[in-house]
Parts: sequence; structure tokens; C-alpha cells
Amino acid sequence: GQNIDQPTEMTATEGAIVQINCTYQTSGFNGLFWYQQHAGEAPTFLSYNVLDGLEEKGRFSSFLSRSKGYSYLLLKELQMKDSASYLCAVNSGFQKLVFGTGTRLLVSP
Amino acid sequence: GAVVSQHPSWVICKSGTSVKIECRSLDFQATTMFWYRQFPKQSLMLMATSNEGSKATYEQGVEKDKFLINHASLTLSTLTVTSAHPEDSSFYICSARTGTGDNSPLHFGNGTRLTVT
Repeated sequence: GQNIDQPTEMTATEGAIVQINCTYQTSGFNGLFWYQQHAGEAPTFLSYNVLDGLEEKGRFSSFLSRSKGYSYLLLKELQMKDSASYLCAVNSGFQKLVFGTGTRLLVSP
Repeated sequence: GAVVSQHPSWVICKSGTSVKIECRSLDFQATTMFWYRQFPKQSLMLMATSNEGSKATYEQGVEKDKFLINHASLTLSTLTVTSAHPEDSSFYICSARTGTGDNSPLHFGNGTRLTVT
């Protein structure tokens, strides 16, 4: 079966750093994606990891450990506009993306 | 700019009627498109994989006779919710890849919010 877990909600302060974790157990693995989704909108692509290690993209970084079935998204210098849901998704094969439960992040002043 | 266009953005229909949602790939050909459904405060659930020129592949628990998918061209896939009921009210989102590699991300349409009264 497919199982992708994330914390349901997180809160953080503007300017701070937050780490959103994702653990997965899937029948196949061809990479892991992180998406951002604002309420009522479609998800937008943030990052992709297929090899172990850290991928950095500006304020956002994503880490992957395939042996542990674990990833995290790191957001630095938080801004109010970063308040959104963050979705972890695994490419389980045949180009199908299986999404995690999503983490709602609330950034406060 | 947007690479996937979805229409309509929202629709309200009466119970028992059918609703058609269109998904178009802009400036690229998509032999495969994916249809997702999202209930409030929940994540995206894959409903089906739409394949150009052949039958769609449905995920377990999704009724293929209720959610009709047609992928008649390389740039258009449609999802028809037949005999809609209030429990079908949800956010439906289509997606496609512009590339074929595993690292090619899904690009999503803006979604269709369906309300069945």
C-alpha cells in the first residue's frame, strides 16, 4: 500500500525557520516532490529530490533519505505569504504522484 | 504562465444532473493527464489517469461509470460527473507533465469547485 504522513498543522513566526517532515512507505519510488497550495488554489511545484541529500532553492530547501523513507522541507526567513498547505508527494511509478496528507502552516507576525 | 487550463472554475448543479470539466494542456502535448479530487482540509486523492486514445485507468474505489473520462486529443481531457449527488461536491483538479522524466513535475490546472445541491 501507499502511506505518506505529514504533521497536520504547524505554526511559526515571521522571520523564523520551520521544518516540515514527511515519512513515506510506497510500493515504488521514483522521487519525491514538495508542493505549496494556498487555500482554494491549485498546488504549485516547489522542489524535487530523487537522491539522498539536500536540495537548496532560495529560502526553501528539501532533504531526502531514501533508506529512512524520510524527507523534510525547510523554509527560512518566513514571510506571511508562506502561510499555506505544503504537500509531500511521491512518484510511485508509472508517473503517478501519491500525495501526503498535507501540512497547514500558519505564519504569524 | 499557466501550462494547464481547466474549465469551469466553479459550477453549481442540481442533484441528478451531469457536469463536464475540461482540462487542456497549453503549448504542449499531454498523452497522459491525471485527475485528482480534494475534499476540504484534505490532501489530493488521485482518481484516475487519463490516456490519450485509450481507456482511463481508475484508482481503487473510484466508479468509472460515474466519473467518465475522455482523452480525445493530445491537448484535451474531460471528466464528466454523471448523476451528481451532494457527496460529489469537491474540488477537482487536473494535471499533466510537460516532460517525460521522473523529475518532471506535475503542473496543475486551477481546479473546479463543484457544488451539488
